[in-house]
Amino acid sequence: DVKVTQSSRYLVKRTGEKVFLECVQDMDHENMFWYRQDPGLGLRLIYFSYDVKMKEKGDIPEGYSVSREKKERFSLILESASTNQTSMYLCASIYSLTGELFFGEGSRLTVL
Amino acid sequence: TQLLEQSPQFLSIQEGENLTVYCNSSSVFSSLQWYRQEPGEGPVLLVTVVTGGEVKKLKRLTFQFGDARKDSSLHITAAQPGDTGLYLCAGEGSGGGADGLTFGKGTHLIIQP
Repeated sequence: DVKVTQSSRYLVKRTGEKVFLECVQDMDHENMFWYRQDPGLGLRLIYFSYDVKMKEKGDIPEGYSVSREKKERFSLILESASTNQTSMYLCASIYSLTGELFFGEGSRLTVL
Repeated sequence: TQLLEQSPQFLSIQEGENLTVYCNSSSVFSSLQWYRQEPGEGPVLLVTVVTGGEVKKLKRLTFQFGDARKDSSLHITAAQPGDTGLYLCAGEGSGGGADGLTFGKGTHLIIQP
């Protein structure tokens, strides 16, 4: 059974704290993505990666960075969390033959 | 930037009724996917449509891709409470899915027993 696993389902952080969100996939997919999901705004792409150590900005990269040291792991980093980064964060990988995205269960981050 | 507009945003109907959800764009997509997301979970793929005019059926769900590949619809016949969820359409652009899909904002569907 294919799986994308996000390390934390729920996090509460304070403004200015550094936040790491980790994502692991077991499908040997090349491409991985980080989205955030907000009511009324839908899913918006933050960053994606098409290979180890490669990354590309998505539609809303400001305030975020990513790391892809291993093929199976894609991390999202908030260097200094702010309240407007309170959101649901979804990691996904893509099966390139079909274009199907496989999502993790999401990490709900609250920044106080 | 390619945009996908979904309508309606919210829909609450009684069990047994039929409904249609729309996904529209001014852009052409090479394929269009429909996902369903339940509370506390990530979206899960329901279907991919690729050819203009294509119709796919998944039990009581019927998906159609517009002839010009700019729009799609999801029709549910005899809705059941288990159909409750957030339905998302997502388009794959000319760059392929490797750089991410464009998502609509979603339709929140509630089927009341």
